[in-house]
Amino acid sequence: EAAVTQSPRNKVTVTGGNVTLSCRQTNSHNYMYWYRQDTGHGLRLIHYSYGAGNLQIGDVPDGYKATRTTQEDFFLLLELASPSQTSLYFCASSDARAPLFGEGTRLSVL
Amino acid sequence: AQKVTQTQTSISVVEKTTVTMDCVYETRDSSYFLFWYKQTASGEIVFLIRQDSYKKENATVGHYSLNFQKPKSSIGLIITATQIEDSAVYFCAMREVQGGRALIFGTGTTVSVSP
Repeated sequence: EAAVTQSPRNKVTVTGGNVTLSCRQTNSHNYMYWYRQDTGHGLRLIHYSYGAGNLQIGDVPDGYKATRTTQEDFFLLLELASPSQTSLYFCASSDARAPLFGEGTRLSVL
Repeated sequence: AQKVTQTQTSISVVEKTTVTMDCVYETRDSSYFLFWYKQTASGEIVFLIRQDSYKKENATVGHYSLNFQKPKSSIGLIITATQIEDSAVYFCAMREVQGGRALIFGTGTTVSVSP
């Protein structure tokens, strides 16, 4: 069964801390996406990738790095976390026809 | 650049009636995909229905259907015979075929279905 799995599901860190959010898909999809969701803003695209080693910049990339290590794995890195990055983060994978989402990671930066 | 706009922030309907939501988009691509998603109270984001830009027929899946008006860059979602469990936030999204292939979302419409 097609799946997108995110970890951790919840994370609390302090200002200036390092955080890595993980996403794994078992759908053999080429495209993977990272979004943040905030009230009033919907889902905003941070970074995306069309294959291992590839990275494309989204609409709100500042403060975020990402790396696609394999077809299956896409990571979002916050190297100096700030309170403004407190949000709900979603990963998705897509073959263009039916993008599928993970369950989300709730991140709090204190 | 791509852009997706949902101007209706919330809609309230009575169970078993029909609800219609609007979405307009901007793209320079001649080919693109349009999607509607539902986000439940638990936060889960569920794919509902897709419209391919080159298809003239409106897509239909179960009690979801689309009103695709390409000249107006509009893709409306219609839910017929609404049920309480249709209460959710509905997002419109677009993905270009030839362009950057980013999947861009609107800000969502909250639908409340009451008995």
